[in-house]
Amino acid sequence: DAMVIQNPRYQVTQFGKPVTLSCSQTLNHNVMYWYQQKSSQAPKLLFHYYDKDFNNEADTPDNFQSRRPNTSFCFLDIRSPGLGDAAMYLCATSRDWGDEQYFGPGTRLTVT
Amino acid sequence: DQQVKQNSPSLSVQEGRISILNCDYTNSMFDYFLWYKKYPAEGPTFLISISSIKDKNEDGRFTVFLNKSAKHLSLHIVPSQPGDSAVYFCAAYGAGSYQLTFGKGTKLSVIP
Repeated sequence: DAMVIQNPRYQVTQFGKPVTLSCSQTLNHNVMYWYQQKSSQAPKLLFHYYDKDFNNEADTPDNFQSRRPNTSFCFLDIRSPGLGDAAMYLCATSRDWGDEQYFGPGTRLTVT
Repeated sequence: DQQVKQNSPSLSVQEGRISILNCDYTNSMFDYFLWYKKYPAEGPTFLISISSIKDKNEDGRFTVFLNKSAKHLSLHIVPSQPGDSAVYFCAAYGAGSYQLTFGKGTKLSVIP
């Protein structure tokens, strides 16, 4: 089945210790997105790629970076995680802008 | 500034009855609306969508209604089943936009 896969599902990191979350897709979609979701809140878009073109949301902290080495994979790097970065991180894909987005299961990040 | 509002954080419905989830929006540029369903510890799953040129879209037990003049949409689930218990997110795209704006979600509990 075509899908969006995120690894790991749960990640614990220490305050200030870099962490990388990964996302892969078998849908062959052009667009990949990273969202941050905290409890009882709407998902918040951090950035997205249209193919290899990177688009950063204006309010995404510099602490967050992303890489998309090929169509199938996308990574979220948090350079120096703070306690406020503890959240669910969701990867999503869509065929094009304005199309339905398909989400992975998410990575729950805990910062100790 | 919340552009997509789901004013009911939670809703309880008896199994077999109708569930009605409501969503209001403020941005008149929104032209494509989507509903997502989210189980705990999973990513959102696309459920149903509607374009602004329509006022109703139906898919099995799920129907979405759009009232553009009132900037209101609703999701009807008939009949409700215990497996429908989840958080439902309303989301919207502006014309030509990559950004999907989410509401905060409504938690539906279907009581057997």
